[in-house]
Amino acid sequence: DAKTTQPNSMESNEEEPVHLPCNHSTISGTDYIHWYRQLPSQGPEYVIHGLTSNVNNRMASLAIAEDRKSSTLILHRATLRDAAVYYCILRDSDNYGQNFVFGPGTRLSVLP
Amino acid sequence: DTGVSQDPRHKITKRGQNVTFRCDPISEHNRLYWYRQTLGQGPEFLTYFQNEAQLEKSRLLSDRFSAERPKGSFSTLEIQRTEQGDSAMYLCASSAPLAGRTDTQYFGPGTRLTVL
Repeated sequence: DAKTTQPNSMESNEEEPVHLPCNHSTISGTDYIHWYRQLPSQGPEYVIHGLTSNVNNRMASLAIAEDRKSSTLILHRATLRDAAVYYCILRDSDNYGQNFVFGPGTRLSVLP
Repeated sequence: DTGVSQDPRHKITKRGQNVTFRCDPISEHNRLYWYRQTLGQGPEFLTYFQNEAQLEKSRLLSDRFSAERPKGSFSTLEIQRTEQGDSAMYLCASSAPLAGRTDTQYFGPGTRLTVL
């Protein structure tokens, strides 16, 4: 699976939008972009995934650049419960069912 | 709750002792994964099962580690002769991948192992 690059940490104020960037310049045409997050003392939690088009779900939105070399996870209104480590992972559809490769992720702090 | 469950949540043991962890995946998920996570790092893959068959093992899985999934449902991870370097969070995940499509892995809460 291709590599991703994320900032080590970010801060946000409560109730403000948060944009978490991820660079994946070596992404291939069959790579899906996955986002997971891990709250303190919990296992990782699925957030969202996409291939080419922007995606929305109840938790977040995923904006994918036209060339697919970067993407942004958008939390529309950050809450204190969104403080977590956010992982951006590429997943080749040909590697379905195999393990995920996690990087160090972005630690998001939410200030009240 | 029909999510992935792990037992125990915490385990403290003395160096040299054996420990066993259990994972119950989401029912009907045929894939089951074990990961290990140390402080400040992302999870690292250890091994995974397709039903009862163990299909891949990471180099992190030394001879002291063994995992089983005897009936294709729950899985156990045993560590023999524990060392202080085994102290970590052990995470289990399950999924139901479809050919040619990406899959979502659902993680359990983890078992935190402390080796004294």
